[in-house]
Amino acid sequence: GENVEQHPSTLSVQEGDSAVIKCTYSDSASNYFPWYKQELGKGPQLIIDIRSNVGEKKDQRIAVTLNKTAKHFSLHITETQPEDSAVYFCAASMRGASGGSYIPTFGRGTSLIVHP
Amino acid sequence: DAGVTQSPTHLIKTRGQHVTLRCSPISGHKSVSWYQQVLGQGPQFIFQYYEKEERGRGNFPDRFSARQFPNYSSELNVNALLLGDSALYLCASSSGTAGRTQETQYFGPGTRLLVL
Repeated sequence: GENVEQHPSTLSVQEGDSAVIKCTYSDSASNYFPWYKQELGKGPQLIIDIRSNVGEKKDQRIAVTLNKTAKHFSLHITETQPEDSAVYFCAASMRGASGGSYIPTFGRGTSLIVHP
Repeated sequence: DAGVTQSPTHLIKTRGQHVTLRCSPISGHKSVSWYQQVLGQGPQFIFQYYEKEERGRGNFPDRFSARQFPNYSSELNVNALLLGDSALYLCASSSGTAGRTQETQYFGPGTRLLVL
């Protein structure tokens, strides 16, 4: 099955700095890569996603890059703010053998701390 | 529009008891997935349902079962609770058409289960 590794486990930055979180996946058939932000006591919230036919995607201060050859993808947050502090999860998924369903495999998460 | 809703928000049980967790997907979404998230880890896939049909099952014992109703809401049942079942149980919904689910999953706030 798919295996997703995520680094670092903890990332501490100063407000205004950039933050980068990296993930690798094992199954070259994976073709959809979402990123989720989880605040304390809440469920994961989708913040950005990328499909394998795209190398980069941006949404305001957030960007994701994908390198299919190396099987790794990264989340970039620029001009970090204290409200960006949360746990971020990457995931990799593909349509299942039955042809009908996407079931993502998640990384272990990165705790991002943004100091004011 | 309401997002994914889950009930109850918190639950305390003792070993050997049974628990039922409930989930209502986003309006119009036909697929529901269940995940277990233990502290410090990413969500682990338990089940996925699409239009009342089981589409996937993760590596969990038979004590875990689920079902989806005609209105697309879902229940997760866990029998003979163990201390290790203590976790945040997340429900996610996704849209679908022609028998195929869409890649993007939207999570609810979760039910925090504590087994004593």
